[in-house]
Amino acid sequence: GAVVSQHPSRVICKSGTSVKIECRSLDFQATTMFWYRQFPKQSLMLMATSNEGSKATYEQGVEKDKFLINHASLTLSTLTVTSAHPEDSSFYICSARDRGARLNYGYTFGSGTRLTVV
Amino acid sequence: AQSVTQLGSHVSVSEGALVLLRCNYSSSVPPYLFWYVQYPNQGLQLLLKYTSAATLVKGINGFEAEFKKSETSFHLTKPSAHMSDAAEYFCAVSDRFSGNTPLVFGKGTRLSVIA
Repeated sequence: GAVVSQHPSRVICKSGTSVKIECRSLDFQATTMFWYRQFPKQSLMLMATSNEGSKATYEQGVEKDKFLINHASLTLSTLTVTSAHPEDSSFYICSARDRGARLNYGYTFGSGTRLTVV
Repeated sequence: AQSVTQLGSHVSVSEGALVLLRCNYSSSVPPYLFWYVQYPNQGLQLLLKYTSAATLVKGINGFEAEFKKSETSFHLTKPSAHMSDAAEYFCAVSDRFSGNTPLVFGKGTRLSVIA
């Protein structure tokens, strides 16, 4: 089945530095990538939606200059947390829509990235 | 706008007992509904999905869910709980008519299984 490879699985960075998270779709083309954020013991909150070759659409309250999303190809999307601060510490998960999938069938999730900013 | 409400943030059952996790949805258009399971520090695994075919949907690991339009519900059940079922469960809804809308998740229900 469709697989989304997300890296790194865990990262610890110093406050003020930037961190890049990658999501790659294996064996399928991801026309749309969704990026979610999950705080401990809470649900997934949508941060942004990106379509290949287009600018990402951010949800209200999400700083687009802080959370840079690039979806330059049909198999790779990246989320860069710039000038990270401790409050950015969270679990980040990507979800790819399969280009070939029927409507609403093809949501594939990455395994998540645990970001800790110290 | 679509939304799902999961009743009960924490459910505890004995091993071998029935598992019932509740989910009610709100949608102005016919929805697609999903149940996902999440283990600690891992991504989401799809258990099952309702996509307008049979209203009783069977998923992996012995789980099933029934779509009831009259009750706007999509409760998840399993006849006999196993220790390995202990995890976080999320109900999600999507707009069946739009190709690139994201899933909207409920707040999740943590299932504990007692030996």
